[in-house]
Amino acid sequence: EDKVVQSPLSLVVHEGDTVTLNCSYEVTNFRSLLWYKQEKKAPTFLFMLTSSGIEKKSGRLSSILDKKELFSILNITATQTGDSAIYLCAALNNAGNMLTFGGGTRLMVKP
Amino acid sequence: NAGVTQTPKFRVLKTGQSMTLLCAQDMNHEYMYWYRQDPGMGLRLIHYSVGEGTTAKGEVPDGYNVSRLKKQNFLLGLESAAPSQTSVYFCASRGTSQLSGFFGPGTRLTVL
Repeated sequence: EDKVVQSPLSLVVHEGDTVTLNCSYEVTNFRSLLWYKQEKKAPTFLFMLTSSGIEKKSGRLSSILDKKELFSILNITATQTGDSAIYLCAALNNAGNMLTFGGGTRLMVKP
Repeated sequence: NAGVTQTPKFRVLKTGQSMTLLCAQDMNHEYMYWYRQDPGMGLRLIHYSVGEGTTAKGEVPDGYNVSRLKKQNFLLGLESAAPSQTSVYFCASRGTSQLSGFFGPGTRLTVL
């Protein structure tokens, strides 16, 4: 059975802190790892990682995939209150038709 | 261009009642998905469709049925609702070359 596990479950930091969110996966026929941000409603797409060791970056957010150790991390530097959200990672299968989601990390950034 | 829309936004049912959730997309996407989200459990796939007239089971299909009679619509049915089906339901769609998908705003369903 495919499994994706995220840690920590929740995190409280202050503005300006740097955070690292973890995602490990055990998925047969793995293709890619995706990160989403979920605020009040629907998840919105952040990154898709397919190759190991290549960092993807968007502003203060960055992510990297390790296909040997089967994990990914999402880093957020200089956190802001607007970063408060649930962060979800999901593993995409080889056929590209199914995503298996982790349970999410709830991040709260205090002013 | 409305993206992905879901109807209704909220619903309260009594145990044993039936209902249908509608997902509509106007992006001509081939793939459509129904997920449920429970606290601390991320999103779990209920059913999905890779094209008009096709459906397939996901991780948690029991108690649900789906239909994709038109490409733009994906319906999720609950024939006899149970309290365990209290959840937030998300629909998503994607094109063949875009793997991340677009999510609808969600439907909050409570079964008493």
